[in-house]
Amino acid sequence: EDQVTQSPEALRLQEGESSSLNCSYTVSGLRGLFWYRQDPGKGPEFLFTLYSAGEEKEKERLKATLTKKESFLHITAPKPEDSATYLCAVQAGGNTDKLIFGTGTRLQVFP
Amino acid sequence: KAGVTQTPRYLIKTRGQQVTLSCSPISGHRSVSWYQQTPGQGLQFLFEYFSETQRNKGNFPGRFSGRQFSNSRSEMNVSTLELGDSALYLCASSFTGGSSWQYFGPGTRLTVT
Repeated sequence: EDQVTQSPEALRLQEGESSSLNCSYTVSGLRGLFWYRQDPGKGPEFLFTLYSAGEEKEKERLKATLTKKESFLHITAPKPEDSATYLCAVQAGGNTDKLIFGTGTRLQVFP
Repeated sequence: KAGVTQTPRYLIKTRGQQVTLSCSPISGHRSVSWYQQTPGQGLQFLFEYFSETQRNKGNFPGRFSGRQFSNSRSEMNVSTLELGDSALYLCASSFTGGSSWQYFGPGTRLTVT
């Protein structure tokens, strides 16, 4: 069965304290791995898509990497405005856009 | 370019009633998916429509149904509401389907009392 597990569930960081969020997955025929950011009361906001092992993408203080079994979202020198829930999702093989989500990592960054 | 819009944003219903939620995708997007988000289960896939046809369906009871119109707008319906149906219902649209990015709307917060 296709499955996505995220860790940790919650993470508290001091401003400037870098860290990584983990997303491990089992899926038949990975077509894409997606990272989203979700603020309270809002819909998920697209961050990155990764398609193959070894791929990396960066956006401001965020960098996403992908291996055959997991993805990491590295946050470098975070700021309070980076506080949000970060969601990982995979898209399996087949003619579908269906995303399978992990339960997310709730990040809090304190000044 | 306008984003995905969902109406209504908030809804309070009583057990046993039915509800219809609406989603307007980004202009030009033909694929619409629906998800249910709860604190305990996270985001769970409900169903997906492409060119007015249901292309995929998640593991939800038959009380949950949907449809898509020729202009790609979509509706989902929940009949005989239960307390456990209280959730944030999210709609996402994408251009063609197939590893394409999904853009999410703000969601409809449904509370069943």
